[in-house]
Amino acid sequence: NAGVTQTPKFRVLKTGQSMTLLCAQDMNHEYMYWYRQDPGMGLRLIHYSVGEGTTAKGEVPDGYNVSRLKKQNFLLGLESAAPSQTSVYFCASQRQGFMNTEAFFGQGTRLTVV
Amino acid sequence: KQEVTQIPAALSVPEGENLVLNCSFTDSAIYNLQWFRQDPGKGLTSLLLIQSSQREQTSGRLNASLDKSSGRSTLYIAASQPGDSATYLCAVHSSASKIIFGSGTRLSIRP
Repeated sequence: NAGVTQTPKFRVLKTGQSMTLLCAQDMNHEYMYWYRQDPGMGLRLIHYSVGEGTTAKGEVPDGYNVSRLKKQNFLLGLESAAPSQTSVYFCASQRQGFMNTEAFFGQGTRLTVV
Repeated sequence: KQEVTQIPAALSVPEGENLVLNCSFTDSAIYNLQWFRQDPGKGLTSLLLIQSSQREQTSGRLNASLDKSSGRSTLYIAASQPGDSATYLCAVHSSASKIIFGSGTRLSIRP
């Protein structure tokens, strides 16, 4: 069972560069999320998706875009990276519905913008 | 807007002690609450999930309780071990499609 897989695991970007983080899940979950984790601030929701072809803004969406073209994949894009986007990014997925809907997380992507 | 708070931010106890981690939330209209463990530089490992209709869940030495009316959850760890040292995160499934996290409690168990 792969669960939730994030690619890449580490990346260093220069200010202004762009990149895409990939999240893939093999559990046929409807809901997917992108979070960022910064010291002392916990995990903050960037964007989320309730199904293929849908996306919505979370708590801190500025500077990021997302796409959910396939149910199993949720992409997070940085069009013009800034040092403030240095963080650890986590993807999660969850089955639709609200009973026994445990959220599963990937291992994270550590991004440094210099 | 749902806010989730975890107190204390850090806790250090000697091995063998029983301990309680606290989580509070401002909006009692939740679907469920999930406790996670995070080791340094690692991802999140799910420990326990409590449905909104439940009062507690148990897994081994861990017991999580939920009191929706007061907006509180506790994670009880019995007979703590050095391997329990990690950051513990509380997450509230607060509305359709949203999971809100507390900032965590960093736990250190002294041998």
